[in-house]
Amino acid sequence: NAGVTQTPKFQVLKTGQSMTLQCAQDMNHNSMYWYRQDPGMGLRLIYYSASEGTTDKGEVPNGYNVSRLNKREFSLRLESAAPSQTSVYFCASNDPDLPSYNEQFFGPGTRLTVL
Amino acid sequence: EDQVTQSPEALRLQEGESSSLNCSYTVSGLRGLFWYRQDPGKGPEFLFTLYSAGEEKEKERLKATLTKKESFLHITAPKPEDSATYLCAVRRSNDYKLSFGAGTTVTVRA
Repeated sequence: NAGVTQTPKFQVLKTGQSMTLQCAQDMNHNSMYWYRQDPGMGLRLIYYSASEGTTDKGEVPNGYNVSRLNKREFSLRLESAAPSQTSVYFCASNDPDLPSYNEQFFGPGTRLTVL
Repeated sequence: EDQVTQSPEALRLQEGESSSLNCSYTVSGLRGLFWYRQDPGKGPEFLFTLYSAGEEKEKERLKATLTKKESFLHITAPKPEDSATYLCAVRRSNDYKLSFGAGTTVTVRA
């Protein structure tokens, strides 16, 4: 049981390049989330998916798109990377049908630098 | 808008020196307050959920308490392995998204 996995672990991009961050969970959770973490600002929600087939904007969605590919996978795409998107990106999941619904399980993160 | 403020930003403790971290929050209809631990280079790891004022939860040397405006995470007789960043988050009623504070980085010296 791997929990939440993310790829890649590290990435360096040039301004204007595009890339997709991958996230997968093997806990059969319905809900998945993408956060970014910047020094002194805590975790900020970018997008979330309450269930397969649905996605919604979070606090800081500009410059990003998401795809809930299936129940297991939730990807985050940067179409034209900007230096302001340099950050650590975390994927998380949970399930409203479980007693531990409130507990979000986090992946190990992707450290992205945009030059 | 939900607001979560954690203090202090950083805390340096000697091994065995007990202390408390503060999480002040403003949220419309608190559904739950959460504490996470984050080690360098890793994702946050869940510690506690508190639902109502007066509630307390304990895990090893950690104890979390909740009032109507703030939560405290007490670290009793800390060890170097308690060094980490501790994050507080809140969830409002009718919403399953979390709003996080910026965290308190705790360093425990042997």
